[in-house]
Amino acid sequence: EVQLVQSGAEVKEPGESLKISCKGSGYSFTNYWIAWVRQMPGKGLEWMGIIYPSDSDTRYSPSFKDQVTISADKSISIAYLQWSSLRASDTAMYYCVRPIAVSGLWYFDLWGRGTLVTVSS
Amino acid sequence: EIVLTQSPGTLSLSPGERATLSCRASQSVSSRYLAWYQQKPGQAPRLLIYGASSRATGIPDRFSGSGSGTDFTLTISRLGSEDFAVYYCQQYGDSPVTFGGGTKVEIK
Repeated sequence: EVQLVQSGAEVKEPGESLKISCKGSGYSFTNYWIAWVRQMPGKGLEWMGIIYPSDSDTRYSPSFKDQVTISADKSISIAYLQWSSLRASDTAMYYCVRPIAVSGLWYFDLWGRGTLVTVSS
Repeated sequence: EIVLTQSPGTLSLSPGERATLSCRASQSVSSRYLAWYQQKPGQAPRLLIYGASSRATGIPDRFSGSGSGTDFTLTISRLGSEDFAVYYCQQYGDSPVTFGGGTKVEIK
């Protein structure tokens, strides 16, 4: 079965660091991009960035550039999203998604179940 | 970046009725690169439509997409009980890809 399995929910304090993960299975991990999408509580979807695990080519939305780091370890088929210093405004559900590439951009056809990140003191 | 505005914010309909959802772009979306997603409470979004009018695998034919340029529509011909959800449009014709704010289809 083709799927993306995300790491579990996290509760952190402001200023802490965090790295969440997304493991792809059932397909060739290095042949597809992996994207991250944020959904703040009760709000819509926001594309954060994307990585091509084969060569680690990474693109960021301007809104998230310098806010997070996306990486991947192709040897174990895992993509990561990390923060060096969390803020309360990072509280959200984070989805990893395997997109379909079209003319250099993407729409999103395979979604993980999401990782809920709560940042609170 | 392209801003997508979805309307109405909430659509209150009865099962069996027709739903018409709008997605308007701040500038033309090239090559009809527009997708629609459905999200139910507590679940990840699900791809319904890509390329403005192509249904994704397994999507019933009561869902249809249309439009071009700056105006796109998702139509659900007859609402089933499982169709009450939030619907998002997304453009992938220009970087960065962007989503609309969503339309909630609720039971009247």
